[in-house]
This record gives sequence, C-alpha cells and structure tokens, in this order.
Amino acid sequence: AQKITQTQPGMFVQEKEAVTLDCTYDTSDQSYGLFWYKQPSSGEMIFLIYQGSYDEQNATEGRYSLNFQKARKSANLVISASQLGDSAMYFCAMTKAKHRGSTLGRLYFGRGTQLTVWP
Amino acid sequence: DGGITQSPKYLFRKEGQNVTLSCEQNLNHDAMYWYRQDPGQGLRLIYYSQIVNDFQKGDIAEGYSVSREKKESFPLTVTSAQKNPTAFYLCASSFSSGRMNEQFFGPGTRLTVL
Repeated sequence: AQKITQTQPGMFVQEKEAVTLDCTYDTSDQSYGLFWYKQPSSGEMIFLIYQGSYDEQNATEGRYSLNFQKARKSANLVISASQLGDSAMYFCAMTKAKHRGSTLGRLYFGRGTQLTVWP
Repeated sequence: DGGITQSPKYLFRKEGQNVTLSCEQNLNHDAMYWYRQDPGQGLRLIYYSQIVNDFQKGDIAEGYSVSREKKESFPLTVTSAQKNPTAFYLCASSFSSGRMNEQFFGPGTRLTVL
C-alpha cells in the first residue's frame, strides 16, 4: 500500500523568503504520481503541482517547485518568495499510475503541514 | 463556470438519524470520490466511483453508503451505523484517462452530530 509521511506539523516563514515542506513516500510500485494540495482555512483543496515518477525534470508551477528525489523517495515542495496568502495547510498525496501513463484514481494523503507566513 | 458543488455547507444531525450529503459536478469527469477529514488529520477515502453505476469502498466505508446513478452526481449517505460521523466531508472528481488526472475538490460539508 502507498504511504505518505509529512513530518513537519507546522512551519513558519517570513514573507518573501523561501520555504521547503517535506514529504516522503513509500510504495512498491514503479509508476506513481505525486501531488501537492493547499487547504486554506475556508476548507477547499487547491491543486498546486504534480510530479510523475518517470518525469525526468522536477515539476515547477510559478512560485512552486517540487524537489523530487526518487532514490530517497522524497517529494518536497519548495515555495519561493512566500506571501501572506500562502498561510494554509499543505498536503502531499500520491496515486498509482499506469506504466508511464495515466494515474489510476484514488489519492493517499499525508497528515499535512500548517504553514504560517509572517510579515 | 465548471466546478463541483456540495450542499449543504453546514449540517447538524441528531444521533440515530441518516443524512445525505450532496455532490454535483459539471466538469464531465468520469471519476468521483468522497473523503473525510478530522481535525489535524489528512484526508481519508470513504468511497469512490470511476464509472456510472459502479463504486468501490475506500479505507473507511463502514457506516456510509453511496450511489452513482448519473455521471454528474455522487451523493453520500451517513447512516446511523457510523459511530463517529462529526467531520468535514470533501467530494472530488477527476478524469480517468490522461497523464495527471488531478482531483478537483468541492467546498466541503461540515457535519456535526448533536
């Protein structure tokens, strides 16, 4: 079974600084997908970034980048130039994937990291 | 605008009553999911459906039931058999084919049992 571990219950960062949120995973599958979601206090889940296990480049989306280290089974989220609006809960999740192809549905979530950005 | 709607936003129930949470999507997604979130916890999968008239149990299906009669709708019933139903419930949907298939989430329903 897939397992996601987020070891940082809370993180603090000053505005305009970069921050790294840790995520490690455990799976015996060769093909899988890794996701990060943001959950503000309102409760909705917002998709941030995706990394496929066979992707050769680390994923980037604007200020978000994913530091993917396959051998270590880690998929850390890096947020550059933090903003006050980045304060939220962040979840790492993974799913199985067909070989080099589409993901297969259900997500396995970690417990999340509460990020607080201070001025 | 395409999206996922969940209703109601807040729901109060007396012990022993069944209650149904609504989830509708107009994104033409094949797959739909129900998750439960407790304070300080990640999301846990209750049920999911990848096609109309078919669904599978997730990790915590006991005390819940679902139906998928239409592609757009995936209602969740919390039955009186669910021992600890107070939680935040999130519905999601996604395509089944394609590379990434990220799940899009609704705004959630907060259920409180009195």
